[in-house]
Formats: sequence, structure tokens, C-alpha cells
Amino acid sequence: EVQLVESGGGLVKPGGSLRLSCAASGFSLSSYGMNWVRQAPGKGLEWVSFLISGSDIYYADSVKGRFTISRDNAKNSLYLQMNSLRAEDTAVYYCARDRLPGGRFGELGDYWGQGTLVTVSS
Amino acid sequence: DIQMTQSPSSLSASVGDRVTITCRASQDISNWLAWYQQKPEKAPKSLIYAASLLQSGVPSRFSGSGSGTDFTLTISSLQPEDFATYYCLQYNSFPLTFGGGTKVEIK
Repeated sequence: EVQLVESGGGLVKPGGSLRLSCAASGFSLSSYGMNWVRQAPGKGLEWVSFLISGSDIYYADSVKGRFTISRDNAKNSLYLQMNSLRAEDTAVYYCARDRLPGGRFGELGDYWGQGTLVTVSS
Repeated sequence: DIQMTQSPSSLSASVGDRVTITCRASQDISNWLAWYQQKPEKAPKSLIYAASLLQSGVPSRFSGSGSGTDFTLTISSLQPEDFATYYCLQYNSFPLTFGGGTKVEIK
């Protein structure tokens, strides 16, 4: 069974750092495009980042230069290192898998984690 | 960046009603558009991909159409479990962009 489980969220002060993890099971994470998507409280969905290989990495303008997406194939896990956090980064962060291996990049499918809440506040 | 304009932002409908939600892209995205349903406190659920293809397991009352810049999600006969918020997503190019969402409420 395919599962994605996020962890690492919490309360952090503005300017601080946090590292989110997304543990995958039931499939090989290295074969799929993987995404981070966030949702601020009461707001809509915002795509954050995509990774499939070292050369295919993309970020939303709002996080470029502050966030870094990475993957550990041995642990079958995806990460999001978040630095220089701002109040506007407060959101539930989801990891989500592309629908097919080798498919269209960013075609988010039906496998999403449960989300982890990041709160940036002093 | 491609902007996705979704309308309406909310609607009230009754069980059995036909519901239509639209998304307009700021430039041609071919058919690289998906639709998602989200219920409170839950992760989004995939409904449609490639503008008109139904995700496995999704009821046939959901359908998608369009190409280029104008897209539509239609629910042919609204069911109680369909009351939720719906989002479109363009994946023609990075950065990916979602529409602002349409909240479907009970009339």
C-alpha cells in the first residue's frame, strides 16, 4: 500500500529553520516526481517545490533561495529544508507524488500525505 | 508564471443539481490541467487529469473538459459527499499554479 507520512512541523520563530520529512512506503520514491504543496490556514493550495532528479528541481518564487528540497533514496524519504522562515510560511505542508513514474512532471496524483503544520510566530 | 483564475469562488447547490466550475489560464496550457477535491482537514483528492481523464475510482458524475486556456469541471448530479472545495492545477510549466478554489455548499 502506498503511503506518505510527513513529520517535522512545529512552532518556529521568524528567521528560524525547520526540516520537514516525508517518509514513503509502498513504492520507490526515486522513480517518481515528488512535490511539496502547502496550505495556509483558511486559504487555498500553493505548490512549493518539485524534485525528480538532481537536475530537475523547481521552486515557487515565494520560497526560492530559502527552501531546499532533497531526497534520500536509501531511506525512501523526501525532505524540505526551510530557512529564513517568515510568518507567511505558516501553513500545513503536504508531500504529494506525481501520478506516474516517468509521467508528466507535476501531474499530482492521488497520493498525498496527511500534512504537517508549520507555524512561524514570535 | 501562469495565473489560474477559477470561478465561482463559492456556490450553493442542492443534491441532484448539475454544477459547473471553470478555470481560465493566463496562457495556453494545452491539456495539462488537473482537478482536485478537498474536504476540511483532509488532503486533496485527485479527480481529473489531462483536462478530461477520470482518475481511477472517481465516480462518473465528475467530468472535465477544455484545452488551451479554458477548462470546466462538471458534476452531473451533485451528491451529499460532493460538498467540498475544488481546485484546478496547471502543470504545463513550473511553477505549478493552483486556482483559488471553489467551495460547493449545500443550499
